[in-house]
Amino acid sequence: GIQVEQSPPDLILQEGANSTLRCNFSDSVNNLQWFHQNPWGQLINLFYIPSGTKQNGRLSATTVATERYSLLYISSSQTTDSGVYFCAGRGNTPLVFGKGTRLSVIA
Amino acid sequence: EPEVTQTPSHQVTQMGQEVILRCVPISNHLYFYWYRQILGQKVEFLVSFYNNEISEKSEIFDDQFSVERPDGSNFTLKIRSTKLEDSAMYFCASSVGQMNTEAFFGQGTRLTVV
Repeated sequence: GIQVEQSPPDLILQEGANSTLRCNFSDSVNNLQWFHQNPWGQLINLFYIPSGTKQNGRLSATTVATERYSLLYISSSQTTDSGVYFCAGRGNTPLVFGKGTRLSVIA
Repeated sequence: EPEVTQTPSHQVTQMGQEVILRCVPISNHLYFYWYRQILGQKVEFLVSFYNNEISEKSEIFDDQFSVERPDGSNFTLKIRSTKLEDSAMYFCASSVGQMNTEAFFGQGTRLTVV
């Protein structure tokens, strides 16, 4: 099955800073999703983005399917953005998750 | 907005006991999934279910696990004889199709085996 690598594994930001999280895939995917896991453990759907660019408020995501990577941009970060960000991709197998990026936003 | 709901949100059980985790997928979805996340680790696929049968399962999904859609709305995961290492967050998900469609996840059930 596909391998999903996320970077960086950990990120500490000052409130108001911008960040870029990256997700690389070992093979082509037909489904690519980004999630935020909040401190209570809930997985929040952020984007379904097998290709192209989408924006939702301060968050945006871009997937370049031909180069097998996706980026999640967080602008003007807030303390409530803290948590773990997962990307997950699907090829011929069910969704495979990366290990996540743990983001801490400090006031 | 439709959502996947899971109950209970937290369950504590004695080692060796059976537990049933419940999920109500989004009503027009046809594919259902269970995933688990051991504390501090990544989310791992357990099983997918379509047309009242298992369509795929991982190595984790051994004989102590079973899934069922007992009626038109619920989707359950049963763990027959729980072990300490079954302690994890269990997520249910559903999707309209198998490929090229978004999977929607429930809020999770935190299972603690003592």
